[in-house]
This record gives sequence, structure tokens and C-alpha cells, in this order.
Amino acid sequence: EVQLVETGGGLIQPGGSLRLSCAASGFTVSSNYMSWVRQAPGKGLEWVSVIYSGGSTYYADSVKGRFTISRDNSKNTLYLQMNSLRAEDTAVYYCATIITMVRGDYFDYWGQGTLVTVSS
Amino acid sequence: SSELTQDPAVSVALGQTVRITCQGDSLRSYYASWYQQKPGQAPVLVIYGKNNRPSGIPDRFSGSSSGNTASLTITGAQAEDEADYYCNSRDSSGNLSWVFGGGTKLTVL
Repeated sequence: EVQLVETGGGLIQPGGSLRLSCAASGFTVSSNYMSWVRQAPGKGLEWVSVIYSGGSTYYADSVKGRFTISRDNSKNTLYLQMNSLRAEDTAVYYCATIITMVRGDYFDYWGQGTLVTVSS
Repeated sequence: SSELTQDPAVSVALGQTVRITCQGDSLRSYYASWYQQKPGQAPVLVIYGKNNRPSGIPDRFSGSSSGNTASLTITGAQAEDEADYYCNSRDSSGNLSWVFGGGTKLTVL
């Protein structure tokens, strides 16, 4: 059974840093495209970042230069390092697998999410 | 970057059919995927590709596409279908990214 478990959220001051983890089971993180998606309180979903199986990484403009996605193959875990945090980064952060097809991608499995609150 | 537009709210009588739409230029190039999200829960994939349902999704959920519009249809809506629904597609503007619609709150009356 595929399972994704995010940890690492919490309350952090503006300008601070936080690292989120997403422990996977039932499949191999390094063989899949993995993504982070966030949802601000009461708002919609926003794609944040992706890491391809080959290691290429891409980011939404809103987090480019501040967030870094990575993985540890030995731990089968995905990470999101978040630096220079702003109030607008406050959200529930979900990790998810992405399946890419020629004419349509989809986010297959999702974790339960971890809440990041940026506030002084 | 691309944008996907959804109606903020839609309602349907119990047992009736409802269509939730999603508009955007990227949908001329890519199929939309659809996600159901209930309060306090993670999103769940309900439709992907041309019209595919993951295992466990009832066959009352279906998808279609025409031009720049994708639709999610629920035929015979049930009380448990009350939720937020989001569409998603790859960004077609040249950026390697994905975009979500703003979401539609479905109320089953």
C-alpha cells in the first residue's frame, strides 16, 4: 500500500527556515516524479515544486530561489527546504506523486499534509 | 503562466446530475485532472486523462473536454459528494509547472 507521511511543519518567524519531510512507503521515491503542493488556510491548491526521477527540479515562481526540493534515496524520503519564509507561505504542505502522460499529468497519491505557519 | 478558471460554487439536488467546469488555455493542449477535497482532508484524484477513474472512484464521476473547457460530471449526486473540486493541468506557457483551478464548492441539497 502506498503511503506518504509529511512531517516538519510548525510555527516559524518571518525570515526563518524550515525543512519538511515526506516519508514514502509502498513505492520508491527515486523512481517517481515527486511534488509539493500547498494550500493556504481557506484557499485553493498551489503547486510548489517537483523533482523528476532523473533529479531535475522545478519551482513555482513564488518560491524560486527560497525553497529547495530534494530526496534521500536511502531513506525513501522527499524533502522541502524552505528559507526566507514569508507570511504568505503559511499553508498546509502536501507531498504527492505525479504521473506524467503525453497529454495529461495527474497527482496520484497524496500525503495528509503538514501545516506551516509563518508569523511573529 | 497559465490560469484555470472554475465557478466558486455549484449546487445540485440529491440524485440529480451536475457538471463542474474548468476553463483555461492549457486545456487546449492537456487533459485536466480532477480532485475532490473534503474539509480537513487531503485531495483525492477522481478523474485523469481523457476520462479515467482511479480504482475506488464510483462510476458516477466522469470527465470530458472540449476546446479550452474541461468538465467533471457527477451523474446521480450523493450526499457524500459534497466537497471542493479542483481541476489541474500542466502549464502550457512554456514553464515546467502545473496549475490548479480556484476550486468549486459543491453543495448537495
